[in-house]
Amino acid sequence: EMQLVESGGNLVQPGGSLRLSCAASGFTFSSYWMHWVRQTPGKGLVWVSRINTDGSVTTCADSVKGRFTISRDNSKNTLYLQMNSLRGEDAAVYYCVRSLTARAFDIWGQGTMVTVSS
Amino acid sequence: DIQMTQSPSSLSASVGDRVTITCRASQSISTYLNWYQHKPGKAPELLIYVTSSLQSGVPSRFSGSGSGTDFTLTISSLQPEDFATYYCQQSYIAPLTFGPGTKVDIK
Repeated sequence: EMQLVESGGNLVQPGGSLRLSCAASGFTFSSYWMHWVRQTPGKGLVWVSRINTDGSVTTCADSVKGRFTISRDNSKNTLYLQMNSLRGEDAAVYYCVRSLTARAFDIWGQGTMVTVSS
Repeated sequence: DIQMTQSPSSLSASVGDRVTITCRASQSISTYLNWYQHKPGKAPELLIYVTSSLQSGVPSRFSGSGSGTDFTLTISSLQPEDFATYYCQQSYIAPLTFGPGTKVDIK
């Protein structure tokens, strides 16, 4: 079964840091672009960042540029999101997502919750 | 950034109804439009990709159409398990933006 399992969500103070992880299984992780998508409470889905198959190309939404860094370790089948200088508006459920060649998101993890509060 | 809008924002329908949801992009995105179903407490699920391709395992009552800036998701006969929120998403260019969602609930 193809699966993505996120971890690392927690309560963090404004200005703090957190690293999310996503463990992939059931498919050839190194063959796919991967993304992070978030959903704020009561609101919709927002794309956060993406990374190509070997980790050499990354793109982030303007709202997190300079604060969040996406990375991957293909030897461990794991995707990461390093989040620094966290703000209240970063509080959300963060989903790890696999994309097809047409950049549609075909496999989603169950999400990990990040709460930013003092 | 490409802005995505959806209409209606919510609708009430009965089992067996034909349901149509519209998505509009602020500029042409060719056919790079995808649809997702999201139920509370669960991960979103891909229904349709590149406008009209049905994702594996998705029932054939779901269909998509459109091109350029205007797109449609149709559920031909609404089933109890279809009550959820539906999102469109453009995958033409980063940032990969979603519409605000259409909540489908029981009349």
